[in-house]
Amino acid sequence: SQELEQSPQSLIVQEGKNLTINCTSSKTLYGLYWYKQKYGEGLIFLMMLQKGGEEKSHEKITAKLDEKKQQSSLHITASQPSHAGIYLCGADLASGNMLTFGGGTRLMVKP
Amino acid sequence: DTAVSQTPKYLVTQMGNDKSIKCEQNLGHDTMYWYKQDSKKFLKIMFSYNNKELIINETVPNRFSPKSPDKAHLNLHINSLELGDSAVYFCASSQRTGGIRETQYFGPGTRLLVL
Repeated sequence: SQELEQSPQSLIVQEGKNLTINCTSSKTLYGLYWYKQKYGEGLIFLMMLQKGGEEKSHEKITAKLDEKKQQSSLHITASQPSHAGIYLCGADLASGNMLTFGGGTRLMVKP
Repeated sequence: DTAVSQTPKYLVTQMGNDKSIKCEQNLGHDTMYWYKQDSKKFLKIMFSYNNKELIINETVPNRFSPKSPDKAHLNLHINSLELGDSAVYFCASSQRTGGIRETQYFGPGTRLLVL
């Protein structure tokens, strides 16, 4: 099994709907990163969370870190087609700043 | 003004060949990385390198070797390419500052296809 599990693996939502993506770690998290990848492109940094209970928002995307549960969630409010892509959570599991990534969540937003 | 750039963007080659992928960052970062993303989109760390240490993921075959001519560049050399090496390779960089965790910024990726 993966050290970082993302759920769901894929998600299709209607434009305007809210959605949540989860990332759960089997190890202690030293830092949790969310990236977005569009097909054929590189990873775009979204947010970094380091402290338990930390919550960050950028435009319509909010990420939270539950350190005790070793889990992070990414919430998109009022989704738009521009939100479509692969969302990847990455975590520093060994405090060496080498990121381990989850399997990704493929999001499609239907207009 | 590209932050992390990679060349080439696409690379198609025959099995058994030796190839290199170049990475350059203009962010002034002191640490660079190589990641491999397979056909199932799993992204895995291969190397972490700064001017003091090279950390290698133990699962990486020794046919892969990073070479850094200077702080701004980390090239990936691959010897005796195999079919299973086909993947997208991402370079990334960050500033490692006295234990403070810094965000890694990724390049656009190099799509390698081994025939």
